Amino acid sequence: AQRVTQPEKLLSVFKGAPVELKCNYSYSGSPELFWYVQYSRQRLQLLLRHISRESIKGFTADLNKGETSFHLKKPFAQEEDSAMYYCALSAYGFGNEKLTFGTGTRLTIIP
Amino acid sequence: DAGITQSPRYKITETGRQVTLMCHQTWSHSYMFWYRQDLGHGLRLIYYSAAADITDKGEVPDGYVVSRSKTENFPLTLESATRSQTSVYFCASKNRGRGEQYFGPGTRLTVT
Repeated sequence: AQRVTQPEKLLSVFKGAPVELKCNYSYSGSPELFWYVQYSRQRLQLLLRHISRESIKGFTADLNKGETSFHLKKPFAQEEDSAMYYCALSAYGFGNEKLTFGTGTRLTIIP
Repeated sequence: DAGITQSPRYKITETGRQVTLMCHQTWSHSYMFWYRQDLGHGLRLIYYSAAADITDKGEVPDGYVVSRSKTENFPLTLESATRSQTSVYFCASKNRGRGEQYFGPGTRLTVT
């Protein structure tokens, strides 16, 4: 079974400082990894997919299969980055289209 | 472009009552999902559906019932609500194959 671990429930960072939200996963196959973001009282929206290798709102994430990690990074935090961030894994490839979510990290940017 | 909608957005009900949460999507996505969001647990999958008339249990299905007679609708019913079902419920949909899930705005349910 797949599992996603986000070790930090809360993370506070000063504006302009670098941000790193950690995500580790366990899955024996070849996973698809996502980062979703939820701004205050809004719906979840996709931030990044490891397959697309894009940079969205200055955030990047690299899949490290050796360390089974998919950490989210941004070099300079902005106040509008304050939100709840969820790492998620899909075991797509075995007809399984479900997402397994981590418990989330609440990021607060201090002005 | 309505996308994916949920109703009601807020609901207060009493223990033992039956409650149905509605989810509607306009994209004709094959897959639909129900999650509950709780502090310390993140999002947990309740039920999902691969197509009309095809549903399957997720991680926390006890106390919930789903149906999917039409592709665009995926209602979630709490047959006899309990306080432990107080939560925010999110519906999501996606196409077959690789890709993201699209989430509805959520329903905040309180069971008193």
